[in-house]
Amino acid sequence: AQSVTQLDSQVPVFEEAPVELRCNYSSSVSVYLFWYVQYPNQGLQLLLKYLSGSTLVKGINGFEAEFNKSQTSFHLRKPSVHISDTAEYFCAVSDIDTDKLIFGTGTRLQVFP
Amino acid sequence: EAEVAQSPRYKITEKSQAVAFWCDPISGHATLYWYRQILGQGPELLVQFQDESVVDDSQLPKDRFSAERLKGVDSTLKIQPAELGDSAMYLCASSAGLFDGSYEQYFGPGTRLTVT
Repeated sequence: AQSVTQLDSQVPVFEEAPVELRCNYSSSVSVYLFWYVQYPNQGLQLLLKYLSGSTLVKGINGFEAEFNKSQTSFHLRKPSVHISDTAEYFCAVSDIDTDKLIFGTGTRLQVFP
Repeated sequence: EAEVAQSPRYKITEKSQAVAFWCDPISGHATLYWYRQILGQGPELLVQFQDESVVDDSQLPKDRFSAERLKGVDSTLKIQPAELGDSAMYLCASSAGLFDGSYEQYFGPGTRLTVT
């Protein structure tokens, strides 16, 4: 069975600073990896996904993530954050034979002016 | 842009009452999911439909929860009777399944349930 660990429950950062949100996963099979963003009282929106190919994945809103198989990690990064990036971010994993998502507990990104 | 619709957006109910949530997926999406998201946690899958058939309901508390997707389009999730611990956000998502190769699930805005 798969599991996802998001190491930081909250990440405070000032506007225009870089940010990294950490995600580690555990699985005995090959997986696909996802990052979703959730704004207050809204559903989840896909930021980016890794299915295959290049381990550096670029997504919407200037975010990118790098798949590291040896470290079983999929950390999310942005070189310069905006106030509007304040939200909850969820890392998720699914094995390649199903589309069932297992989510982490989320990281609250708070951007301060 | 097509979206997943859910109603109601908010629901307050007393414990022991029945409550129902509705979801209309993106047109043409064969796979529909219901998730429960407890405050401060990630979403947890309750039930997954492929067309009108249930393919995974292993985490659905079947003594009080039921879900149906009669014509393979929209879906209803019911709780009867509601308990205090059912207070959560209920999210519906849909996808084209494994067939389009995108593996992307599209989420609705959710129904926030408060049980008093």
